[in-house]
Amino acid sequence: AAGVIQSPRHLIKEKRETATLKCYPIPRHDTVYWYQQGPGQDPQFLISFYEKMQSDKGSIPDRFSAQQFSDYHSELNMSSLELGDSALYFCASTAGTSGDIEQYFGPGTRLTVT
Amino acid sequence: GNSVTQMEGPVTLSEEAFLTINCTYTATGYPSLFWYVQYPGEGLQLLLKATKADDKGSNKGFEATYRKETTSFHLEKGSVQVSDSAVYFCALQYSGGYQKVTFGTGTKLQVIP
Repeated sequence: AAGVIQSPRHLIKEKRETATLKCYPIPRHDTVYWYQQGPGQDPQFLISFYEKMQSDKGSIPDRFSAQQFSDYHSELNMSSLELGDSALYFCASTAGTSGDIEQYFGPGTRLTVT
Repeated sequence: GNSVTQMEGPVTLSEEAFLTINCTYTATGYPSLFWYVQYPGEGLQLLLKATKADDKGSNKGFEATYRKETTSFHLEKGSVQVSDSAVYFCALQYSGGYQKVTFGTGTKLQVIP
């Protein structure tokens, strides 16, 4: 079965650079969630989208922005990167109107800021 | 607000030992409860879930029961294997569309031969 795809899997950036992370949900899933997992930490919710509209917002820095496109894939844009942004970034998807709340997680993008 | 508290790790067990990882939650209403597992270098995988009080979730020999009276969802396995070594996250999520998952801090399990 198709799973959530994230790209790139690994990314190395320098401080003050920008980064773009991409997430491709499971086919027919219309809701996407982004989480950030710092080293040794639990995943923290950043932001979610349903039908290309932001549906919820968590602890996402103002330097970060995200959007969902017409094909339901999502991109997380990160600017003015800081060392503390080094983390594993997960994307998850659900079929928002199916009644099944289970979120299906991608393998994550490991961002290292040097 | 909502929160999930897990027992501190790491937990080190010998193969075939009994496993319990405690999890309690604070929430209003009746969220669904989950256990996720993260193997070294990999993403999050759903291990099991329970959607209402007294439900028991089970998978791969692991089980957990949704206890509303004690607000707990402890993970158990009768006989662990080396391949169970991973980080385990307890989590909660409300139904009703577009609801985020709230995770506990994770418990690292190491099983030695």
